[in-house]
Amino acid sequence: KAGVTQTPRYLIKTRGQQVTLSCSPISGHRSVSWYQQTPGQGLQFLFEYFSETQRNKGNFPGRFSGRQFSNSRSEMNVSTLELGDSALYLCASSTSGSTDTQYFGPGTRLTVL
Amino acid sequence: GQQLNQSPQSMFIQEGEDVSMNCTSSSIFNTWLWYKQDPGEGPVLLIALYKAGELTSNGRLTAQFGITRKDSFLNISASIPSDVGIYFCAGQLPPGNTGKLIFGQGTTLQVKP
Repeated sequence: KAGVTQTPRYLIKTRGQQVTLSCSPISGHRSVSWYQQTPGQGLQFLFEYFSETQRNKGNFPGRFSGRQFSNSRSEMNVSTLELGDSALYLCASSTSGSTDTQYFGPGTRLTVL
Repeated sequence: GQQLNQSPQSMFIQEGEDVSMNCTSSSIFNTWLWYKQDPGEGPVLLIALYKAGELTSNGRLTAQFGITRKDSFLNISASIPSDVGIYFCAGQLPPGNTGKLIFGQGTTLQVKP
């Protein structure tokens, strides 16, 4: 069974731009969670989607948004990029998200200049 | 917010030695997970724990879910050079926090051949 895939793997943007990241979960998994990883803050939960609905949300500004499609693929969007948004963005999938184990993708490394 | 205190922050050991790391929290968790992350990659699941008191092994790795549900430890026996990496504990809070993992700060392990 293929693992979680994320595209692109690397991205360079400038301040003020917006960016969209994509995540394809493991086949059969319906829950997708997104995390931001930085050296200073570690791994921080952004939001979780299940059956095309946002079910849980972390403490990030509204510039961070996401959506999920009927095939469970998910996208994350960051608008008006700031230097501090530079991070590794990870998505994780699980079957239902409640107590199920989450499996991570390789991440998208975003650099904001 | 919820926090996981993971210790030690880093370890430098000789090949063949055993390693122990742990995580504690003031919150009760439903699930404890241990991940390993290599540079530039996403976390890879090592062990998942679902019940208080549960002791689970995966090869040379052993982890336990604390009785109080507020702590967990991971042991690595007879370390080898490929054990090098960053180890994270993660906890899933009781229902109502779907898809959200709380991560420890990580333990960086270096193994000297």
